[in-house]
Amino acid sequence: DIQMTQSPSSLSASVGDRVNITCRASQSINRYLNWYQKKPGKAPKLLIYAASILQSGVPSRFSGSGSGTDFTLTISSLQPDDFATYYCQQSYSTLAWTFGQGTKVEIK
Amino acid sequence: EVQLVESGGDLVQPGGSLRLSCTASGFTFTNYWMTWVRQAPGKGLELVANIKQDGSEKFYVDSVKGRFITSRDNAKNSLFLQMNSLRAEDTAVYYCARPSSSYFYGYFYYMDVWGKGTAVTVSS
Repeated sequence: DIQMTQSPSSLSASVGDRVNITCRASQSINRYLNWYQKKPGKAPKLLIYAASILQSGVPSRFSGSGSGTDFTLTISSLQPDDFATYYCQQSYSTLAWTFGQGTKVEIK
Repeated sequence: EVQLVESGGDLVQPGGSLRLSCTASGFTFTNYWMTWVRQAPGKGLELVANIKQDGSEKFYVDSVKGRFITSRDNAKNSLFLQMNSLRAEDTAVYYCARPSSSYFYGYFYYMDVWGKGTAVTVSS
């Protein structure tokens, strides 16, 4: 199985801050990498797919980059609605998709 | 409106069985693979199972192989997860999700529609 490792596991930031979350794959996954936002009691929400393509309706302050084994989710200016847990997920393995352990973004 | 609605979650004893359902609406169900994802309390997201459009191909995560069976009824736009020999570690909120795909130089899959989830608790 392809292991996905996110860093940091949690971070504290203020409204308006630029936030970077990193995801590393245990082997090259090309650009088969998605990002989701998860809030307590809510369904996950797709933010980015294919490493850098913004899902329709997602604010442009979210962006994704990377290829191979190293990927980054960037929130350019953190907003109150962005405090949540973020997960990366690889879809390189046929059907055996795996998630990172999550990064919790908290209010400073 | 594109929608997925799960049902069937409950409190069940270890070793027991439970059947989850997911009803789809607002899109052509037969065009899509479907997926079950779970989140245990205080833990991250975990893919449980995938099933092809016609049900002919399925994938299970190792921890549920031989115990869980996913199926679908395309006439009723419904997805199912039969959970047998349940263990405490199966306690989680179970989500059904729709994997969409885009073709660039290969098929890129991503889960763009999710249900709100149904809670399963395995405890005596």
